[in-house]
Amino acid sequence: NAGVTQTPKFQVLKTGQSMTLQCAQDMNHEYMSWYRQDPGMGLRLIHYSVGAGITDQGEVPNGYNVSRSTTEDFPLRLLSAAPSQTSVYFCASRALDSLNTEAFFGQGTRLTVV
Amino acid sequence: DQQVKQNSPSLSVQEGRISILNCDYTNSMFDYFLWYKKYPAEGPTFLISISSIKDKNEDGRFTVFLNKSAKHLSLHIVPSQPGDSAVYFCAATPEGGAQKLVFGQGTRLTINP
Repeated sequence: NAGVTQTPKFQVLKTGQSMTLQCAQDMNHEYMSWYRQDPGMGLRLIHYSVGAGITDQGEVPNGYNVSRSTTEDFPLRLLSAAPSQTSVYFCASRALDSLNTEAFFGQGTRLTVV
Repeated sequence: DQQVKQNSPSLSVQEGRISILNCDYTNSMFDYFLWYKKYPAEGPTFLISISSIKDKNEDGRFTVFLNKSAKHLSLHIVPSQPGDSAVYFCAATPEGGAQKLVFGQGTRLTINP
């Protein structure tokens, strides 16, 4: 059981370049979300989805787009990378179960924008 | 506006002793609290949680205490082991918003032999 898989693990971009961070889960979870981790800031929610075809903004959505065409996949797109987007990105998934709010995280993507 | 705060960036504890990690929150609408553990170059992993209707939850060496009137929760690890050295994040979910985890800044715990 792979859980939550993120690719790539590392990426260096030039300012203005675009790229997509991939996230896939094999647990049939309805909820998926993207966080970024910055020193002294903890993890901050970028975008989330409660099911295929449904997405919404989190705390820090600017500069990022998402889509959810399938239950399994939730890619995060940077349309024009900026140095402020240098961070570690984590994808998470969670089952739609009001009794258990545990979220499962991927191993992260370390992104550097130069 | 940091709704979940971990005011101690780091904590150093001797092996075998108790580790106490603290977390404060400001939003009274949070109804579920979780602790995550994170090793370098890995994603956070779930450790223990507590519902707002409880004041204590225990799982082996880990116990989480919730004081709703003080908007404070703490994680106790007894006895502390070297493998417990990691960054610990406190997180909370608002009522009806379980997909939106709100995290604290994290506390780096170091267990010394």
